[in-house]
Amino acid sequence: EDKVVQSPLSLVVHEGDTVTLNCSYEVTNFRSLLWYKQEKKAPTFLFMLTSSGIEKKSGRLSSILDKKELFSILNITATQTGDSAVYLCAVGHNFGNEKLTFGTGTRLTIIP
Amino acid sequence: DTAVSQTPKYLVTQMGNDKSIKCEQNLGHDTMYWYKQDSKKFLKIMFSYNNKELIINETVPNRFSPKSPDKAHLNLHINSLELGDSAVYFCASSQERGRGGQGYGYTFGSGTRLTVV
Repeated sequence: EDKVVQSPLSLVVHEGDTVTLNCSYEVTNFRSLLWYKQEKKAPTFLFMLTSSGIEKKSGRLSSILDKKELFSILNITATQTGDSAVYLCAVGHNFGNEKLTFGTGTRLTIIP
Repeated sequence: DTAVSQTPKYLVTQMGNDKSIKCEQNLGHDTMYWYKQDSKKFLKIMFSYNNKELIINETVPNRFSPKSPDKAHLNLHINSLELGDSAVYFCASSQERGRGGQGYGYTFGSGTRLTVV
């Protein structure tokens, strides 16, 4: 069965700290791994990763994929209260019919 | 401009009723989806349509019936609503079918919170 596991389930840190969120997966026909940020409503797209070892960066956020060990991490440096959200990892798989299998998310809370 | 719009945003209804949720995207995407998010924030795919053709139908009760009149619209009709149907339902769209690359990322609608009482 296809599986995406995120850890930790929740994380509370102080503003300015650096956090690392983890995502491991076991799926058939892996195509890509995506990270989303969900605040109150729709998940918003952060990164899509398809190749191992190539870091993607956007401001204070960065992510990398390890296709050999089947995991990805999302780093957020110098956290701000606006980073408080649920971070969702999803894996695209099943060649020919795109399908995303989501993890259960990591709820990140930044304390001022 | 709203890229993927769902209506209604909130829906409270009694058990046994039939209800519909509408979704429209103005991105010109070829593929549209319905996802269900439970109270623990777990998102699970229900259906996927590509150019009005059903391509993914996960294990969903047949009380749920998607309808795609054209590639910009994907509606979800639910018959005989049950308490367990309470969740947030997200519509999404994407550009490319079954391929990696920049077009793979989804655009989600803002969700419809369905509460069955």
